[in-house]
Amino acid sequence: QKEVEQNSGPLSVPEGAIASLNCTYSDRGSQSFFWYRQYSGKSPELIMFIYSNGDKEDGRFTAQLNKASQYVSLLIRDSQPSDSATYLCAVSVDYKLSFGAGTTVTVRA
Amino acid sequence: NAGVTQTPKFQVLKTGQSMTLQCAQDMNHNSMYWYRQDPGMGLRLIYYSASEGTTDKGEVPNGYNVSRLNKREFSLRLESAAPSQTSVYFCASSEFQGVGNQPQHFGDGTRLSIL
Repeated sequence: QKEVEQNSGPLSVPEGAIASLNCTYSDRGSQSFFWYRQYSGKSPELIMFIYSNGDKEDGRFTAQLNKASQYVSLLIRDSQPSDSATYLCAVSVDYKLSFGAGTTVTVRA
Repeated sequence: NAGVTQTPKFQVLKTGQSMTLQCAQDMNHNSMYWYRQDPGMGLRLIYYSASEGTTDKGEVPNGYNVSRLNKREFSLRLESAAPSQTSVYFCASSEFQGVGNQPQHFGDGTRLSIL
């Protein structure tokens, strides 16, 4: 079993809709949770990080963490064509970060 | 403020050749990392350095060596390149605090092809 699993996608959503991305992790000792966005041919850039159970909102993005269920999600509200990218879930234990394979999102106009 | 700088950006090697990928950060972070990214596989950790003077193996260390030269610089060496090492390599840095790892900042990547 992979340490971090994401819904495989690709995910296609109409402009203005909500995109919902899911991630599960296997290590109950995981401490920090991150969502990165990666455009094709570019390096990952941080969108959100969350450490505690519950929701964390930043603009159009909301991260949700449920440690009991070992589940973290990312909601993108009012999706824009510029949101079309691959989204990587990452989970940290001590110094190490484990990444999921990513979910590719396409926002269609 | 450059953040994390990787050199070179592109490289083509022949099987059996050696080379070193360079990484430097100017954010005064303690921790530095090397990843490789292959299509459909996300990022996989090769080696990391939690602090100056320490290095540890990640998920896929075979065929690689690293050196934490000082707090700023962390290099990755391929001693005898193999076609399976064709990949995009990313260096990252972060700060580790009591609540867990802080967000990692990535360089622009090195695209390496082994023929």
